[in-house]
Amino acid sequence: AQSVTQPDIHITVSEGASLELRCNYSYGATPYLFWYVQSPGQGLQLLLKYFSGDTLVQGIKGFEAEFKRSQSSFNLRKPSVHWSDAAEYFCAVGLTDKLIFGTGTRLQVFP
Amino acid sequence: DSGVTQTPKHLITATGQRVTLRCSPRSGDLSVYWYQQSLDQGLQFLIQYYNGEERAKGNILERFSAQQFPDLHSELNLSSLELGDSALYFCASSVGGVAGNNEQFFGPGTRLTVL
Repeated sequence: AQSVTQPDIHITVSEGASLELRCNYSYGATPYLFWYVQSPGQGLQLLLKYFSGDTLVQGIKGFEAEFKRSQSSFNLRKPSVHWSDAAEYFCAVGLTDKLIFGTGTRLQVFP
Repeated sequence: DSGVTQTPKHLITATGQRVTLRCSPRSGDLSVYWYQQSLDQGLQFLIQYYNGEERAKGNILERFSAQQFPDLHSELNLSSLELGDSALYFCASSVGGVAGNNEQFFGPGTRLTVL
């Protein structure tokens, strides 16, 4: 069955440090992949998506993600984290009829 | 602001009751999706409507139902409510009818508390 795993439930980084959030998926075909961010009390906002082509995808707010087929991964990165990046981050796989979300990674940023 | 609106923001009700959650999609979007977010189940897809017709069904209980009206707004009806139905309910919309390769825009959610 298709699934998405985000192994890190909670990550804490200092402001200005680099960030990598991990995402692994289980899906037979080439997946459509998404990263969403949810700020407290807010809905989900799309950061970036991968459908095909260049495996390094640029998104909003300075985020990027790299699709690695051999590792079934789609990790999210940011070179320098800002305090406003504190939020919950969800990786998702797009199927024909739905999105399957991972359990999320909560990011805490210390000044 | 995603352009998707949901009402009400908060809803507190008692077990056994029935509630209706409302969603207005972005202008031009034909698909509406409903999701439930809870601490124990995470973010779960419930149901999708496309241009007024049910397109896909996920983990939606029989006590729950939804519809999409001619003006494309959608309602999610939850009946015989149980404590475990307490959750954040999101609506999302997209232009196309295929969930996987269409960007979905999420509303701010309705927080349902069942006492």
